[in-house]
Amino acid sequence: ETGVTQTPRHLVMGMTNKKSLKCEQHLGHNAMYWYKQSAKKPLELMFVYSLEERVENNSVPSRFSPECPNSSHLFLHLHTLQPEDSALYLCASSRAGAGEETQYFGPGTRLLVL
Amino acid sequence: AQTVTQSQPEMSVQEAETVTLSCTYDTSESDYYLFWYKQPPSRQMILVIRQEAYKQQNATENRFSVNFQKAAKSFSLKISDSQLGDAAMYFCAYRSAIQSGATNKLIFGTGTLLAVQP
Repeated sequence: ETGVTQTPRHLVMGMTNKKSLKCEQHLGHNAMYWYKQSAKKPLELMFVYSLEERVENNSVPSRFSPECPNSSHLFLHLHTLQPEDSALYLCASSRAGAGEETQYFGPGTRLLVL
Repeated sequence: AQTVTQSQPEMSVQEAETVTLSCTYDTSESDYYLFWYKQPPSRQMILVIRQEAYKQQNATENRFSVNFQKAAKSFSLKISDSQLGDAAMYFCAYRSAIQSGATNKLIFGTGTLLAVQP
């Protein structure tokens, strides 16, 4: 709908699995973000990439590993997750730089860790 | 650190009526941006309206308008002529206008779930 797509939309994984979330934006943006959305909590910013360089890592556990191979794609690699990591993971993109830059969100990946 | 508070976990409005969602924030900065995002059930989060702190005029987008009170650090959203499609979770968000490391960090509230009754 908004030019930001995420796959898969739903994911169930065991604590020993390794999986990856993918985000792609078709808006010509050069900044991308990963957010975690848990029930009854504010969205938590996890990572920010600007011009393909990671500029923010919000004290996220190392079991989450982001990758931004180019300005259109963003991945979140997952390994040895915990049940408390179950949440909706949202990707967003925007133009980088100063000024008012709206972030556009993808539909999210709903992750369940068993 | 900046914080955003939405004190109404749930709200309900009759179709065609008006509803106001509350948001307050805390910051020591003088220049920033405020946003309202809408997240319908199982659908993407989309921007509803935004406000620049240095502008005194309240932003308006069709049936959506804000009441921005900078001194009180209040940023409420008014939805007029409510429609069934307005039912969603609404998030208030803050972003500093000071750029560091080219980040656009958004700080979100916990959201208000709006139900629209036919």
